[in-house]
Amino acid sequence: DAKTTQPPSMDCAEGRAANLPCNHSTISGNEYVYWYRQIHSQGPQYIIHGLKNNETNEMASLIITEDRKSSTLILPHATLRDTAVYYCIVRVGGGSEKLVFGKGTKLTVNP
Amino acid sequence: EPEVTQTPSHQVTQMGQEVILRCVPISNHLYFYWYRQILGQKVEFLVSFYNNEISEKSEIFDDQFSVERPDGSNFTLKIRSTKLEDSAMYFCASNRDRVNTGELFFGEGSRLTVL
Repeated sequence: DAKTTQPPSMDCAEGRAANLPCNHSTISGNEYVYWYRQIHSQGPQYIIHGLKNNETNEMASLIITEDRKSSTLILPHATLRDTAVYYCIVRVGGGSEKLVFGKGTKLTVNP
Repeated sequence: EPEVTQTPSHQVTQMGQEVILRCVPISNHLYFYWYRQILGQKVEFLVSFYNNEISEKSEIFDDQFSVERPDGSNFTLKIRSTKLEDSAMYFCASNRDRVNTGELFFGEGSRLTVL
């Protein structure tokens, strides 16, 4: 599985959009981009995933660049409860089952 | 909303003792996993389980570890002889299918403290 690079930490004001970047320059054509988050020491929580096209669900939007070498997770209106570590993971769909977690980005939403 | 449940939430044990961590995956899910997270470190994959057998395991998952699905609902992780370095949060996860989804549902974890 390709490796990802994320900033170690970011801050965001409550109510504003949080834009979390991820670089995955060695991503393969059949690898998906997944985002999970971990609030404090709770179990990781799935957020969103995509292959080529931008995706949106009730939690977030995922913007993937045309060359697929980077992506951005957008939380449109961050709340204090969005303070968490966010993990960007690339993984072959239907391939190796495991998710390989990196260190992620610690997002702090400030009041 | 269906969820993965884990018991116990916290277990303290003496080194060398056997520990069983229990998980109830979401009912219609077919793939089951254990991950662990040592305090302050990354979440690490341990093992995946499908159709009553291990489908993949990491180097961490040595002979001291075993998994079992003893009935139609529980999924257990057994550590035969615990070591100090087994102290960690252990997360169970499940998903309905692994093809093109990767949406794993994680439990809240079981904290294991080995003294």
